[in-house]
Amino acid sequence: DVKVTQSSRYLVKRTGEKVFLECVQDMDHENMFWYRQDPGLGLRLIYFSYDVKMKEKGDIPEGYSVSREKKERFSLILESASTNQTSMYLCASSFMRRTNEKLFFGSGTQLSVL
Amino acid sequence: DQQVKQNSPSLSVQEGRISILNCDYTNSMFDYFLWYKKYPAEGPTFLISISSIKDKNEDGRFTVFLNKSAKHLSLHIVPSQPGDSAVYFCAAAGSPGTYKYIFGTGTRLKVLA
Repeated sequence: DVKVTQSSRYLVKRTGEKVFLECVQDMDHENMFWYRQDPGLGLRLIYFSYDVKMKEKGDIPEGYSVSREKKERFSLILESASTNQTSMYLCASSFMRRTNEKLFFGSGTQLSVL
Repeated sequence: DQQVKQNSPSLSVQEGRISILNCDYTNSMFDYFLWYKKYPAEGPTFLISISSIKDKNEDGRFTVFLNKSAKHLSLHIVPSQPGDSAVYFCAAAGSPGTYKYIFGTGTRLKVLA
């Protein structure tokens, strides 16, 4: 069974802290994504990666960075956490879109920044 | 600019009846559409998809209809069950070779027993 694993289900951090969110997939997918979900705003794409060491900005990259050193792992970094980054963070992965490929999501990390 | 819109934030339906969730899009380059279901504190799970070369796709109780001329798709759930209560997101993707999936804002479905 396919699996996308996010390292933490719940995180509480202080304003100004550096925060790492980790995601691992076991499906040998080329593409990996980070989304955040907020009420009334749906899922918004932060960053995505289509290959090791490759990254592309999504729709809301400000305040975030990412790292993809290995194909199976994609990390989201909040350099200096702020209260407006309190959100549900969702990692997803997919095969390269040659035909119709779907996204597989992890269980999410609920981050609270105090 | 919201390219994928779900204009109904919530919907309540009686158990056994049909649930119809709607989604509109603006970009005619989208060629693949997906529906996801999300329970609280869990990640979205894939439900059903449709390619732009089709106008209907069916999987058990779930059917997705695509009207390309109206740039509209809908998800029908028949019969609705209490376990279907969740937030439903539609998503759209462009041509193969592009990487972005654009999600709508979601519709919260409540199925009443």
